Amino acid sequence: GESVGLHLPTLSVQEGDNSIINCAYSNSASDYFIWYKQESGKGPQFIIDIRSNMDKRQGQRVTVLLNKTVKHLSLQIAATQPGDSAVYFCAEKSGGSYIPTFGRGTSLIVHP
Amino acid sequence: EAGVTQFPSHSVIEKGQTVTLRCDPISGHDNLYWYRRVMGKEIKFLLHFVKESKQDESGMPNNRFLAERTGGTYSTLKVQPAELEDSGVYFCASSPLGPGSGNTIYFGEGSWLTVV
Repeated sequence: GESVGLHLPTLSVQEGDNSIINCAYSNSASDYFIWYKQESGKGPQFIIDIRSNMDKRQGQRVTVLLNKTVKHLSLQIAATQPGDSAVYFCAEKSGGSYIPTFGRGTSLIVHP
Repeated sequence: EAGVTQFPSHSVIEKGQTVTLRCDPISGHDNLYWYRRVMGKEIKFLLHFVKESKQDESGMPNNRFLAERTGGTYSTLKVQPAELEDSGVYFCASSPLGPGSGNTIYFGEGSWLTVV
C-alpha cells in the first residue's frame, strides 16, 4: 500500500557537522511534504514544509530537498547542535486532505 | 497564545480499566486531530474533527475507542476497556479551517498511556 518511510532509524553525528535525514514516499499523489521534530517528552513541532512544485526550500539552518522522480525527501541540518537531538518525522499530504501521513521517524543523536 | 494542551500528560492504568484523554485545541482552530504513536513506530492518524463533526475516523483501531467533541471546542478520547496494546502516546493537534490554512497543524505534548 501507499506509505511514507525512512531509510535510517538512527543517525549519530558530531556537533558542528551537517546532518542529512532521508525519507522515501510511495504515494505519487502527494503534493505537500512536512518535516516535524519531536524532542523527548514533547509533541511534534513543525520545522519546514515544501510543495510538490518545488524541489528545494531553505529555512534557518535547515533545507528540504524533494526529488519527485524517485519519490525522495531529505532534511539537511547545517552545523548540527546538541539541541537538534530529537526524532525527525517526514509527513505527506495529498490533494485537499487536511491529514498528514507520517513515517516511522529517524532519531538524530548529536554528540558534543 | 496558548498551544494545544492535553491532559493527563501521563497515565498508568490496568488492563480492563477506562481512561479518558482530553485535548484543548488552539483557540479558534476548527480542525482537531487525534494521532497515536506506539512503541517507537510511526505516528498514526486516528481521527479528524471539523468543529463538532467527525470528518474522518478511519484510523480508529476498534470500538473500544470513542472520541467526542461536543460544542466544537475541546475533545475527549476514551478507551474502554483498555488493552495492553493501547499503550503509547496519544497526540492531539489542531489547525485553522480554510483553503491552505490547514497545512500546518500544531501538536500538543501528548498523553502518555501505559496499560499494565
